[in-house]
Amino acid sequence: DAEITQSPRHKITETGRQVTLACHQTWNHNNMFWYRQDLGHGLRLIHYSYGVQDTNKGEVSDGYSVSRSNTEDLPLTLESAASSQTSVYFCASSEDGRRNNEQFFGPGTRLTVL
Amino acid sequence: ILNVEQSPQSLHVQEGDSTNFTCSFPSSNFYALHWYRWETAKSPEALFVMTLNGDEKKKGRISATLNTKEGYSYLYIKGSQPEDSATYLCAFKEGNTDKLIFGTGTRLQVFP
Repeated sequence: DAEITQSPRHKITETGRQVTLACHQTWNHNNMFWYRQDLGHGLRLIHYSYGVQDTNKGEVSDGYSVSRSNTEDLPLTLESAASSQTSVYFCASSEDGRRNNEQFFGPGTRLTVL
Repeated sequence: ILNVEQSPQSLHVQEGDSTNFTCSFPSSNFYALHWYRWETAKSPEALFVMTLNGDEKKKGRISATLNTKEGYSYLYIKGSQPEDSATYLCAFKEGNTDKLIFGTGTRLQVFP
């Protein structure tokens, strides 16, 4: 069965360190998205990609970067982790080109920055 | 910045009660409206995707309506059960894009 996975599921790091969160999907979807979930804010879009070599900034992109070298993966990098980036991160993917395409979400990564 | 608002923020009901929540979104440049169900410690899962004004969707005891002209959607749960306890998210899709703008959700707790 097709799926979307994230790793690690939990991560504790220190302020200033570089951290990369992995997202891998086997749906063969062109669209991939990264969100963060914080109390009182719901899901906020960090970065998204509509295909290989395509990346776009979302609502809360400062301090984050992504790269898309293949269809299956969209790793999210925190260049220099800050305590404000402590959050739960969700990756999602969807088909492109259809008005009613739903997004499929990964299980989430809980990141703590000390 | 586009605003998607949901009300109420949280709701506590007794088993068997019927309930409904509201999602408000921009009425211009509408493309689609999504409803997701998000259980604690799990990932959001799509309930409905609605694209046409006047759309009504139903899945079991859960249904949704859409008014794109005035910018709102209602989600109804008939005869709530404890397993309906979850956060219900709506998300607005603008124009001809594939990205979603999420509301903050309505957290429903159903007590036996």
